[in-house]
Amino acid sequence: QVQLVQSGAEVKKPGASVKVSCKASGYTFTDYYLHWVRQAPGQGLEWMGWINPNSGATSYARKFQGRVTMTRDASITTAYMEVSRLTYDDTAVYFCARDGERAYVYWFFDVWGRGTLVTVSS
Amino acid sequence: QSALTQPPSASASPGQSVTISCTGTSSDIGIYNYVSWYQQHPGKAPKLMIYEVNKRPSGVPDRFSGSKSGSTASLTVSGLQAEDEADYYCISYAGSNIGVFGTGTKVTVL
Repeated sequence: QVQLVQSGAEVKKPGASVKVSCKASGYTFTDYYLHWVRQAPGQGLEWMGWINPNSGATSYARKFQGRVTMTRDASITTAYMEVSRLTYDDTAVYFCARDGERAYVYWFFDVWGRGTLVTVSS
Repeated sequence: QSALTQPPSASASPGQSVTISCTGTSSDIGIYNYVSWYQQHPGKAPKLMIYEVNKRPSGVPDRFSGSKSGSTASLTVSGLQAEDEADYYCISYAGSNIGVFGTGTKVTVL
């Protein structure tokens, strides 16, 4: 079945970086864009950006430009999202989600990972 | 890009209907039909309920429907059931390869 499996929880110090992985299975990895969404404790969903797993092209929300990097390794059907210069405000659950249509961004997310909790603590 | 505006809460009794609004601008909901809605239960990943304003994925009950008027999209849940109690979020394309979520609405079944 189609699924996205994310890496485990992380605890990082302020100023450090974290890299979360999202392994896709059950479909052709390069056919569907992947989005990253985060949710701080008790807060709403926040769209972070997308990556085209075929070309590697990316688009980031303005607030994350320069601090977030999305990459992929198509040979192992895995996407990555790295956040640098972490602050306490980056404590959140980070989700990867598949765009629902092949080859384009249609802005609906039909398959989600279970989320990765990143805690920033000194 | 500011978050789309949703009411913090909404409630109704079982069997009744509840409608959640998602208000944007002429730069997002007002010009694009790329609006989708998600249901999220505590501690779970969001689930797609409506896409492209009013399309329902297979497996989603037809009690869930979506619409749009101007810069406001809406999600209506008819015949409310206990399991519909959850948080609901909208998201819209906002141009320039950017998306923006709504602030979220907690739906309570009375």
